[in-house]
Amino acid sequence: AQSVTQLGSHVSVSEGALVLLRCNYSSSVPPYLFWYVQYPNQGLQLLLKYTSAATLVKGINGFEAEFKKSETSFHLTKPSAHMSDAAEYFCAVTPRGGGATNKLIFGTGTLLAVQP
Amino acid sequence: GAGVSQSPRYKVAKRGQDVALRCDPISGHVSLFWYQQALGQGPEFLTYFQNEAQLDKSGLPSDRFFAERPEGSVSTLKIQRTQQEDSAVYLCASSLAQRGATNEKLFFGSGTQLSVL
Repeated sequence: AQSVTQLGSHVSVSEGALVLLRCNYSSSVPPYLFWYVQYPNQGLQLLLKYTSAATLVKGINGFEAEFKKSETSFHLTKPSAHMSDAAEYFCAVTPRGGGATNKLIFGTGTLLAVQP
Repeated sequence: GAGVSQSPRYKVAKRGQDVALRCDPISGHVSLFWYQQALGQGPEFLTYFQNEAQLDKSGLPSDRFFAERPEGSVSTLKIQRTQQEDSAVYLCASSLAQRGATNEKLFFGSGTQLSVL
């Protein structure tokens, strides 16, 4: 079965520092991969997605992620953290192949804190 | 409306009580999903509708959980005889895509936080 692992349930960075949130998937066939962000008391919002075009995917708010098949990873990065980036981030997968509902399988989330 | 709307925002129930959670998807969206998010966890899939048809209910944890979408728009998730382990945030999401279109975007509501005492 498909699954995703997010290393680090809590990550703290200083404002202006690099943000790196880790995600690894388990699948013999590379799935579709997503990063979602959840701000307090708000719904999940799509940051970016990988669907097999470019391996480096750019998303909203300056975030990007690189798909690395050899490492089964899809880590999320941002060069310079901003206070407004403080939120919970979820990596998710959905399997390829016809006939499947596009239900998302989420990781357990990483809570990002940004220190002034 | 502009987004996916869920009501109520918060629900407190006594153990054994029945509850009904409502989801208003974005107008015209074909696909509708329900997810359950326990404290400190990622959302977990419950069920999927394509229009009024419930095509996947493999994630419903027990027969106390029931979902419907009779006219292909508003959906209701009903939980009978609530238990403490049902306490979670219930998220609804909708999409323009039909089944199998895995590259379409899901729009999530803010969720209903259910607390069972």
